[in-house]
Amino acid sequence: KNQVEQSPQSLIILEGKNCTLQCNYTVSPFSNLRWYKQDTGRGPVSLTIMTFSENTKSNGRYTATLDADTKQSSLHITASQLSDSASYICVVTVMTTDSWGKLQFGAGTQVVVTP
Amino acid sequence: NAGVTQTPKFRILKIGQSMTLQCAQDMNHNYMYWYRQDPGMGLKLIYYSVGAGITDKGEVPNGYNVSRSTTEDFPLRLELAAPSQTSVYFCASRFRANTGELFFGEGSRLTVL
Repeated sequence: KNQVEQSPQSLIILEGKNCTLQCNYTVSPFSNLRWYKQDTGRGPVSLTIMTFSENTKSNGRYTATLDADTKQSSLHITASQLSDSASYICVVTVMTTDSWGKLQFGAGTQVVVTP
Repeated sequence: NAGVTQTPKFRILKIGQSMTLQCAQDMNHNYMYWYRQDPGMGLKLIYYSVGAGITDKGEVPNGYNVSRSTTEDFPLRLELAAPSQTSVYFCASRFRANTGELFFGEGSRLTVL
């Protein structure tokens, strides 16, 4: 069964500190992995996309890593800001024969940044 | 830039009532999706469409119906609302199937009492 597991479920960090979120998946065959940020009461917005051959990708203070061998990804937030308070969702695309690209969603990690 | 527009944002229904959630996108995307998001769970796919006139069931289609008469619009119909359909519903679209970024609407919070 294709699954995407995220950890921790939630975390609280002080403003200015760093944190790392984890995503483990059992999706096969793998196409790509995206991290989305979902602010409270809003729709998710894409932060990064990782394909099979990519190990690291940055988007400002967000850095995503991918280990396709162990089927693990992480999202590192550097020098957190209050605006980073959100749910971060890991989404893995399954390669399908009809090429519409089935998506598997993690449950998300709720990050709260406190002053 | 409007992107993906959903209406209404909030709605309360009584058991057995019906309603339609509207979704429109102005990005000329062929691929459109309806998801529901329940607390502590990942988004679940209800229905999707790969183009005008083509729709298919996702993981949790029971109690819902869709149509796609134009590229822009993808309404979701709830027939005979049940408390289990209390959720937040998101419409999304993307340009490419496999690698394309999903663009989401703001969500529609539905409560069935």
